[in-house]
This record gives sequence, structure tokens and C-alpha cells, in this order.
Amino acid sequence: NAGVTQTPKFRVLKTGQSMTLLCAQDMNHEYMYWYRQDPGMGLRLIHYSVGEGTTAKGEVPDGYNVSRLKKQNFLLGLESAAPSQTSVYFCASTFSLDSPLVETQYFGPGTRLLVL
Amino acid sequence: AQRVTQPEKLLSVFKGAPVELKCNYSYSGSPELFWYVQYSRQRLQLLLRHISRESIKGFTADLNKGETSFHLKKPFAQEEDSAMYYCALRGRTDKLIFGTGTRLQVFP
Repeated sequence: NAGVTQTPKFRVLKTGQSMTLLCAQDMNHEYMYWYRQDPGMGLRLIHYSVGEGTTAKGEVPDGYNVSRLKKQNFLLGLESAAPSQTSVYFCASTFSLDSPLVETQYFGPGTRLLVL
Repeated sequence: AQRVTQPEKLLSVFKGAPVELKCNYSYSGSPELFWYVQYSRQRLQLLLRHISRESIKGFTADLNKGETSFHLKKPFAQEEDSAMYYCALRGRTDKLIFGTGTRLQVFP
């Protein structure tokens, strides 16, 4: 099992450009999450999904959109990148709420995004 | 409101010294609390959870509901413990609330 993978690993964007970050998991997890990690701010939840075809807003959703067309993939989109979106983005996944392992979130390796 | 507070951004100790990383939470109910660790250039991973009452890599954490704390402790720090540590809370929802993290530096 590859676990949770993220592409790309690193990207530089100019202000106003768009891009999509891909998260994939092969553990048949129901729940998937996108976080951003910033110094002094910890991990903040951007959006999450509790199943294929469903998405929900997290703590800091503005400027981002997501889609969960397939259970194994969770896409994070930036329509018009801003310097404030310079961050490290982590994807995570976990089982559904009725699983005894639900509290263990499995994280991807992260994507470093620099917006100039 | 659900909140996790880690008051220390950086904690520096020498090898062999005791370590305590502080975590306080705000939650009206019975929370589930966790410690996640991120070693340099590695992904975030679960270290331990309070319901398991386990000791992982010599670390323990006791949930103190009276003080709403879940401090992470280790009696003798090792250099390989140097990492970023995040305390997290899960309430009734399917989301984890993370603290801002504490960087632990263990000097030889």
C-alpha cells in the first residue's frame, strides 16, 4: 500500500495563477481532509470530505475549492493564487466514524506551495 | 468552542533530561485527545491517543479533565525525539482540531 500520496511535492506559482493539488489514498478510507501548515498557526483544516461526492468547509476554506469525484482522490484547487496561500499543504484520510480506527488520521507527505 | 492550546512554540532540552510538552483544551463534553509527531522531512503521524493509555517511544500522556490538559511526557529525552509535536482533539464531529505545535529540540 502506498498509503496517502500527494502531487506535486513542490510548486511555485505567480499571483493569479491556478493549480490543483491531488491527494490519493489506497486504503479505502471514507474521510479525507486538506490542511495547511503555517509557522505559529499549526495545522488548519481547509476542506474535508466524508465520502465520495461530498465535501464540507473547514476552518479556512476561502480561496480554495475541492472535489471528491472518486473515493480514493481528493482534489484541492486554487482558482487565483495569492501570496497568503504560500504554505505547506497536507492531505489526510481516515476510516468512517463507525470504525474503531477512526481517530487515526493518515497523512500525506505534503506539498510545498510558494506564491510569488 | 473547541480549542487546543500549546503554549510553547519551542522546547529545548539536553539528552537525558525530562520532557513535558504542554497541551490544554477547551471542549464541553468528553473529548478524544491525541498527540501527533512530525519528524524532519517526514509526514505527520499519530504518536499516541489517550483512550489507549499506551506508552509509545517512552512517551506518555494523561488526560486530566479537571485541568483540561493532556501533557506529553518523557522521563529521559533522546536526540531522535527532536521533532514537531501537535496535540489534537476530536469532539462529536469527524474533524480533528490541532494545536499550533511545539518544536522539541534535544541537544546532545
